[in-house]
Amino acid sequence: GAVVSQHPSRVICKSGTSVKIECRSLDFQATTMFWYRQFPKKSLMLMATSNEGSKATYEQGVEKDKFLINHASLTLSTLTVTSAHPEDSSFYICSAPWGAGNTIYFGEGSWLTVV
Amino acid sequence: QKEVEQNSGPLSVPEGAIASLNCTYSDRGSQSFFWYRQYSGKSPELIMSIYSNGDKEDGRFTAQLNKASQYVSLLIRDSQPSDSATYLCAGNQAGTALIFGKGTTLSVSS
Repeated sequence: GAVVSQHPSRVICKSGTSVKIECRSLDFQATTMFWYRQFPKKSLMLMATSNEGSKATYEQGVEKDKFLINHASLTLSTLTVTSAHPEDSSFYICSAPWGAGNTIYFGEGSWLTVV
Repeated sequence: QKEVEQNSGPLSVPEGAIASLNCTYSDRGSQSFFWYRQYSGKSPELIMSIYSNGDKEDGRFTAQLNKASQYVSLLIRDSQPSDSATYLCAGNQAGTALIFGKGTTLSVSS
């Protein structure tokens, strides 16, 4: 069964508003989670590493003031897309390491459409 | 720059054939390697993980790792139409984010 759960699976928002996406580890503690975004027919692009109890580490070119990441507990990380614009429309996916070899498992993903 | 390279395909095989997917990586520090399957519009699903040189078999899937050549492969035996998807190769050092290839699109015709 799933080890990482993501919500919502789909969201539509108006330009200029903010949207929050939640990522939860199920039945295990995740001190680290990873957020990716994926454009159609493209590969996954790492946005940031979410660290429980400390600031997230953002990849080069990712605006940390626009993509706010909070990892307030050992089972929950959130990604907030602030002042969303149509170009932010994408598939956002979180992941967390779990089990032998720290295998990385993905949440179901969240489709964001900004209109 | 740490990179994972894959042939984007599409790779087309008939039903029942063996599909062979290949991947090379640049980071010699990578210790763990993974193959994920991604259906259109869905999140990646773990197919295989491999950590040591050699072969690892799981059902119809066999992963191969050659650290000296920095090469990872995935064989799918008795390919089924339901195997049609994009296959993502990824590697990482322990506890770090995965570095993904661009994926190989596999099409299995019935």
